[in-house]
Amino acid sequence: DQQVKQNSPSLSVQEGRISILNCDYTNSMFDYFLWYKKYPAEGPTFLISISSIKDKNEDGRFTVFLNKSAKHLSLHIVPSQPGDSAVYFCAASVTEYGNKLVFGAGTILRVKS
Amino acid sequence: DAGITQSPRHKVTETGTPVTLRCHQTENHRYMYWYRQDPGHGLRLIHYSYGVKDTDKGEVSDGYSVSRSKTEDFLLTLESATSSQTSVYFCAISESPTPQHFGDGTRLSIL
Repeated sequence: DQQVKQNSPSLSVQEGRISILNCDYTNSMFDYFLWYKKYPAEGPTFLISISSIKDKNEDGRFTVFLNKSAKHLSLHIVPSQPGDSAVYFCAASVTEYGNKLVFGAGTILRVKS
Repeated sequence: DAGITQSPRHKVTETGTPVTLRCHQTENHRYMYWYRQDPGHGLRLIHYSYGVKDTDKGEVSDGYSVSRSKTEDFLLTLESATSSQTSVYFCAISESPTPQHFGDGTRLSIL
């Protein structure tokens, strides 16, 4: 039973527009969330994180929103660029056991120029 | 790549043979991890280490063992490889538990 779900296997957006990647979780003990980006033949790269005490965290073009009541988070990329084309993974942890990240299956983002 | 080197980068071996993957870091980070990535599953934690000789199991630890005799090296061993262990294996490091920084992976094929 997957505790972290990324229900959209892929997403295609036009360059300059907003990309919205979604993630749902089932374990109410999760209190720290991260997004990673992965290019082919490379390891995942950390993008942005959010603690459950916040509902938004922003870093440049990347913003993560957290809706605890819905157990849902999303990553917004504005504006989208062709170099953003990659696989995006959502991950979650229980801070007390922070070493154990649980990942979603990933969403392939393609930004068309 | 946060000073992480995985070796080998690619390996093909036969069922029943032992396999050892190595992760080497130059960052002197306390925590080291091994994950496997499979289609439809994202990354799943196999084992992690919180210090020299200190390790713990992750979500998918069956069939795997690890060792950490030095801060900089974390070894993952498949004692008797099976086809279900064909995967891409990623090592990660961190100073605090999160965020974790990943190496470029080892593609392991077991025939």
